[in-house]
Amino acid sequence: GENVEQHPSTLSVQEGDSAVIKCTYSDSASNYFPWYKQELGKGPQLIIDIRSNVGEKKDQRIAVTLNKTAKHFSLHITETQPEDSAVYFCAASLYNNNDMRFGAGTRLTVKP
Amino acid sequence: NAGVTQTPKFRVLKTGQSMTLLCAQDMNHEYMYWYRQDPGMGLRLIHYSVGEGTTAKGEVPDGYNVSRLKKQNFLLGLESAAPSQTSVYFCASKFPLGGAGDTQYFGPGTRLTVL
Repeated sequence: GENVEQHPSTLSVQEGDSAVIKCTYSDSASNYFPWYKQELGKGPQLIIDIRSNVGEKKDQRIAVTLNKTAKHFSLHITETQPEDSAVYFCAASLYNNNDMRFGAGTRLTVKP
Repeated sequence: NAGVTQTPKFRVLKTGQSMTLLCAQDMNHEYMYWYRQDPGMGLRLIHYSVGEGTTAKGEVPDGYNVSRLKKQNFLLGLESAAPSQTSVYFCASKFPLGGAGDTQYFGPGTRLTVL
């Protein structure tokens, strides 16, 4: 089955700096890669996703890049703000497949 | 819309006790999921359902049972709780393939402690 590894486990940045979180996956058949943000005491919330037919996707301050050859994908947050502080999870699956595998999470802290 | 709700929010059980976690969604989603979240391990799929009356096993199904008698509800049961089942449980739901994509909507979680 699919195995997703996520790095780093913790990340601390100054407000205004950029943050990058990286994930690798093992199953070359996976074609759907979402990123979730989980705030304290809440459930995960989708913030951006990418399918394997594109290499990059942006939504305001966040972007995701995908390298299918190397089987890794990354989340980029620019101009970080304190409200970006949360745990971020990557995941991988076949599109519309119910067996989605998650990374272990990255705790991002943005210092004001 | 309340979205996805979970009942209860917290629960403490003794080893061997049983309980049922309730997930309800008011978005008319076909698919529903139960995950567990443990420190350093992300979310792992326990069971899921692709429609009323259907259930299927996920990555870590042992020790759990589920039922989907109504489209809006998905129940997770622990027949004989074990300390290894101490975790935070999340329910999620989504539309099937379509314009809404593959977005799963998560509930707020249930924190379960088994002593």
